[in-house]
Amino acid sequence: QVQLQESGPRLVKPSQTLSLTCTVADGSISSDAYYWTWIRQLPGKGLECIGYIYYTGNTYYNPSLGSRVTISIDLFKNQFSLKLTSMTAADTAVYYCATHSGDYSYFGSWGQGTLVTVSS
Amino acid sequence: QTVVTQEPSFSVSPGGTVTLTCGLSSGSVSASNYPSWYQLTPGRPPRTLIYSTNIRSSGVPDRFAGSMLGDSAALTITGAQADDESEYFCVLFVDSAVWVFGGGTKLTVL
Repeated sequence: QVQLQESGPRLVKPSQTLSLTCTVADGSISSDAYYWTWIRQLPGKGLECIGYIYYTGNTYYNPSLGSRVTISIDLFKNQFSLKLTSMTAADTAVYYCATHSGDYSYFGSWGQGTLVTVSS
Repeated sequence: QTVVTQEPSFSVSPGGTVTLTCGLSSGSVSASNYPSWYQLTPGRPPRTLIYSTNIRSSGVPDRFAGSMLGDSAALTITGAQADDESEYFCVLFVDSAVWVFGGGTKLTVL
């Protein structure tokens, strides 16, 4: 089973850009089996899909986040990354990276999650 | 906008059985929505329980079962244990929208 680990800052100032990286182990990010996905859980609320990237570089972003989101992939480092611009307190959340298996349409592997707080 | 509906909360006695449901604000859930279920416990990453309606993820005990129940997908937990007290989310693939998460059900075991 693919193992995922998020890395990045835990504290971001308002208006700044969040940058998170997800490192993939026990599997190849070049696999055509997965969509590499970012998901977050806002405090006291449910889960929200931020977006995903396929190994080809095709991406999908949640329309609610508009043009603030960029997800990229590094095939050589076996990593994929999230950038979220213009951070506000409303973006304070636990951010997860996950695999989505297209065959059965489910999230099979999850990172541990990282709590990102937006505060000055 | 498509909304995936779940009961906000549920309680079950230890050893008891509980069925959580996952519906659509408009229409019925079917196998082509690929219902999946996840357990979310504070301080832990989400745990994948069920996918494609009724397939248990690796390592998930058989007291967790997925099914279709009327117009909804369902997750049944039999022999509830204290550490089943968590929040449970379902996800549906809906038309051309990607994957839509339900609001989650907080399960209390008492």
